Amino acid sequence: GAGVSQSPRYKVAKRGQDVALRCDPISGHVSLFWYQQALGQGPEFLTYFQNEAQLDKSGLPSDRFFAERPEGSVSTLKIQRTQQEDSAVYLCASSVYSGGISYNEQFFGPGTRLTVL
Amino acid sequence: GDSVTQMEGPVTLSEEACLTINCTYTATGYPSLFWYVQYPGEGLQLLLKATKADDKGSNKGFEATYRKETTSFHLEKGSVQVSDSAVYFCALSLLSGGSYIPTFGRGTSLIVHP
Repeated sequence: GAGVSQSPRYKVAKRGQDVALRCDPISGHVSLFWYQQALGQGPEFLTYFQNEAQLDKSGLPSDRFFAERPEGSVSTLKIQRTQQEDSAVYLCASSVYSGGISYNEQFFGPGTRLTVL
Repeated sequence: GDSVTQMEGPVTLSEEACLTINCTYTATGYPSLFWYVQYPGEGLQLLLKATKADDKGSNKGFEATYRKETTSFHLEKGSVQVSDSAVYFCALSLLSGGSYIPTFGRGTSLIVHP
């Protein structure tokens, strides 16, 4: 079956431009996560949705970062006025449900590599 | 805060050699522990997990045991293959505010030569 897909796979932006990164989770997955992975580092949590509700956005590095999931399916991560330090791979993951007493496996997309010049 | 420390790579081995990738953690609560693998050009995949002390996670010949006394979760495989070449991430996860948010280590690159 189809996994998590992300688009575009690569994005080059000039400093100051706005970018939008898309994530299509696995159909039926309630939970959706965004991570930022800098070169040579592990993924760092950005934000988490349960259906359309954004339950945790504590990892967003600044108010230039904004995420939405209006219909509880596709999600978009938007970065306004991009800076060079925003260059990273942005990963999306989905899971059946991430609440309750048990951990459910997260399925990751291939990521979007953002380069800000 | 919670953190995961992995041994630095790259780890370079010949096929059929034994593998150990060290992972230690610091957590305020009682975390679940995971190993993820990332093959070139692909997303992270869950390799194995353990949810309580002395649990052993295993998959595809890889094993890791949750050691609470040493706060460790080392990844081991008795005989590696070229196809195991990838980046391996150790992670912990704690229930917080109704959701599990994982904390990842920096990753360890494994290169296996024929």
